[in-house]
Amino acid sequence: DAGVIQSPRHEVTEMGQEVTLRCKPISGHDYLFWYRQTMMRGLELLIYFNNNVPIDDSGMPEDRFSAKMPNASFSTLKIQPSEPRDSAVYFCASREDRSSYNSPLHFGNGTRLTVT
Amino acid sequence: KNEVEQSPQNLTAQEGEFITINCSYSVGISALHWLQQHPGGGIVSLFMLSSGKKKHGRLIATINIQEKHSSLHITASHPRDSAVYICAAGERFGNEKLTFGTGTRLTIIP
Repeated sequence: DAGVIQSPRHEVTEMGQEVTLRCKPISGHDYLFWYRQTMMRGLELLIYFNNNVPIDDSGMPEDRFSAKMPNASFSTLKIQPSEPRDSAVYFCASREDRSSYNSPLHFGNGTRLTVT
Repeated sequence: KNEVEQSPQNLTAQEGEFITINCSYSVGISALHWLQQHPGGGIVSLFMLSSGKKKHGRLIATINIQEKHSSLHITASHPRDSAVYICAAGERFGNEKLTFGTGTRLTIIP
């Protein structure tokens, strides 16, 4: 299995531009998570999906952020318009159904976003 | 809101030493996760536990539900164990939100 695949690995953009981050979860995983990591705040959950349905988006910082999961194998996190304070590493993670307590999170390699 | 605290923030040790990293949380949880983040940035899940103890190779994780405390131990530490170790608390069943600690940066010197 290739694991959770994120693209791009690095993104540098100017303030005001739209940014789209992409994630392909592990096949068969029912949960998909988007996290953000910064030096100041550490890891934070932005949103998670169960069977492609958004369950909790309370961590999404503001309306400039949106996430979709059109099917079981693809999700996007979009920032429009981007701001310098959005600079962070964004991780996608997936896991199997919660009924198994031996179902750990599998993280992608992250997308390092820099907004200038 | 759950508060998750880790100690120490930084730890430097000689190769071969026994390592302990601590994690305390403020409210009851459904599961406690230990994650490892390598210098390259990738994050790997080490353990997920809700009671007792789990062991994987040289790594051992324990949790005391009554004391709201978990520890991660590394036996016979090796330079490749150098990484940031992060604990995260899942608050209740049916809620996948995790509260993360700030991490412990471990450096093992050869």
